[in-house]
Amino acid sequence: NAGVMQNPRHLVRRRGQEARLRCSPMKGHSHVYWYRQLPEEGLKFMVYLQKENIIDESGMPKERFSAEFPKEGPSILRIQQVVRGDSAAYFCASSPRLRGGLAAQETQYFGPGTRLLVL
Amino acid sequence: QQQVKQSPQSLIVQKGGISIINCAYENTAFDYFPWYQQFPGKGPALLIAIRPDVSEKKEGRFTISFNKSAKQFSLHIMDSQPGDSATYFCAASSRPGGTSYGKLTFGQGTILTVHP
Repeated sequence: NAGVMQNPRHLVRRRGQEARLRCSPMKGHSHVYWYRQLPEEGLKFMVYLQKENIIDESGMPKERFSAEFPKEGPSILRIQQVVRGDSAAYFCASSPRLRGGLAAQETQYFGPGTRLLVL
Repeated sequence: QQQVKQSPQSLIVQKGGISIINCAYENTAFDYFPWYQQFPGKGPALLIAIRPDVSEKKEGRFTISFNKSAKQFSLHIMDSQPGDSATYFCAASSRPGGTSYGKLTFGQGTILTVHP
């Protein structure tokens, strides 16, 4: 059973370019979280999605950042017009859906992350 | 109020010793407290977790101690091994607005080095 997959693992962009980060949750998981880890800091929550729905984007910067989790395919975190301050590791985590559609609060499984470097 | 404060920032322990990492929180709505282990270049992996209705949980060499009144919790690693050398994060989550999902608030991390 494959774990959470993220690609690319490393991404280099110049200022002003777009970055697209992809996350494939574990098989059977329909809930995805995105976190950002700045150098020498803990992870910070960005957004929580279910299939085709953004449930909580309270940690997402208001501009340039967007996320989606389509019915088919991976979840995408998109950063437009990147700036040097966007350089960080971006992790996604997935969790299963329990009976009744409830997400399992505790079982968040993390992917290996995408390390974004903005030159 | 949403912060989780973690200490120490780094910790060096001899093989066989006890590693202790502490965390404190303010938000009384937090009801789930996991610890994650992260190796360089990898994602965090869940190590052990506790809910506030118990004061201690032990899994192998890893123990969480939880003090609800002090709003503090700690990770103890007994018989520390060089393979335990990693960054450890405490975290806490609550369920916003009575919903069932839990976004995690992480501490700043502790870099543990276990010398052979």
